[in-house]
Amino acid sequence: AQSVAQPEDQVNVAEGNPLTVKCTYSVSGNPYLFWYVQYPNRGLQFLLKYITGDNLVKGSYGFEAEFNKSQTSFHLKKPSALVSDSALYFCAVREFSGGYNKLIFGAGTRLAVHP
Amino acid sequence: DAGVIQSPRHEVTEMGQEVTLRCKPISGHDYLFWYRQTMMRGLELLIYFNNNVPIDDSGMPEDRFSAKMPNASFSTLKIQPSEPRDSAVYFCASSVSGRGGNGYTFGSGTRLTVV
Repeated sequence: AQSVAQPEDQVNVAEGNPLTVKCTYSVSGNPYLFWYVQYPNRGLQFLLKYITGDNLVKGSYGFEAEFNKSQTSFHLKKPSALVSDSALYFCAVREFSGGYNKLIFGAGTRLAVHP
Repeated sequence: DAGVIQSPRHEVTEMGQEVTLRCKPISGHDYLFWYRQTMMRGLELLIYFNNNVPIDDSGMPEDRFSAKMPNASFSTLKIQPSEPRDSAVYFCASSVSGRGGNGYTFGSGTRLTVV
């Protein structure tokens, strides 16, 4: 079965500093990986995805993620954090089974950006 | 595109009452997912449909929960009878099939409080 792990419950960053939110995956075959963000009282919003191609994927709001096959990681990054980036971030992997597919989400990491 | 529409946004009900949550997926999307989010358990997949057919309901907590999708534009999640431990935010999401990396579009959720 496919799975993702987000080892940090919370990440604290000062505004203007670079941020990293970690995700590792366990899949059989080629992974389809995603990052979502959830702001308070909102549903999850798609940030970016990795399917194939360049290991560095760029997404919404200045976020990017680096796919590393040897380390089975897909860390989310941003060069300069904003207070408005404070939210809950979810890593996910697509699982294919029996001709159907679904996303398997991690437990989420809360990002707090301090002024 | 109005996105995934859920109703109601908030529901407060007494223990033992029946609760019905509603979801309208994005037109043309053939997958529909129901999730439950709590602080303790995070984001849990309850059930998902493909072309209106339930594919996997292994995440439904017990027989008190049921979900239907009578047509491509409407789904319900029903809890009968409701219990305080059912209090959570319930999300609906939809996506379109294909082995490409299509992510989900989430609704804004229904916050259910059972007292």
